[in-house]
Amino acid sequence: DAKTTQPPSMDCAEGRAANLPCNHSTISGNEYVYWYRQIHSQGPQYIIHGLKNNETNEMASLIITEDRKSSTLILPHATLRDTAVYYCIVRSLSNFGNEKLTFGTGTRLTIIP
Amino acid sequence: EPEVTQTPSHQVTQMGQEVILRCVPISNHLYFYWYRQILGQKVEFLVSFYNNEISEKSEIFDDQFSVERPDGSNFTLKIRSTKLEDSAMYFCASRVGGTTYEQYFGPGTRLTVT
Repeated sequence: DAKTTQPPSMDCAEGRAANLPCNHSTISGNEYVYWYRQIHSQGPQYIIHGLKNNETNEMASLIITEDRKSSTLILPHATLRDTAVYYCIVRSLSNFGNEKLTFGTGTRLTIIP
Repeated sequence: EPEVTQTPSHQVTQMGQEVILRCVPISNHLYFYWYRQILGQKVEFLVSFYNNEISEKSEIFDDQFSVERPDGSNFTLKIRSTKLEDSAMYFCASRVGGTTYEQYFGPGTRLTVT
């Protein structure tokens, strides 16, 4: 799975959009971009994933650049409950048995009142 | 909304003792996982389980660890002889299967080995 690079920390004002970047310059054609978050010491929570098109769900939007070398997770109206560590994970789905998620250190997002 | 549950939430055990951590995955899910997170460190993959057998395991998952799905609902992680370095949060996860690859995590069991 391709390596990802994320800023270690970010702040965002409550009510504003939080934009979390992820660099995955070595991503290959069959690799998806997944985003998870971990609030305090709780279990990681799935947010969204995409291959090449932008995606949106009830939690967030995922913008993937045309060359797929980077992506941005957008939380449109951040609340205090969105304070968490956000993980960008790139993984191939082509090999059965390659099931594991490899977590990096992520971005610690702090929402400021 | 269905969720993964884990028991106990906190387990304290003495070094050398056996522990069993329990998980109830989401009911229609077919793939099951254990991860752990030592305090202040990354979440690490331990093992994946499908069709009553291990499909992948990490270097951490040595002979001291075992997993089992003893009935249609529970998924357990056993550590035979705990060490101090096994102290961590242990997370169970599951996914439904097919072309759906999102894993859903439980709240974790904090294992403290003294």
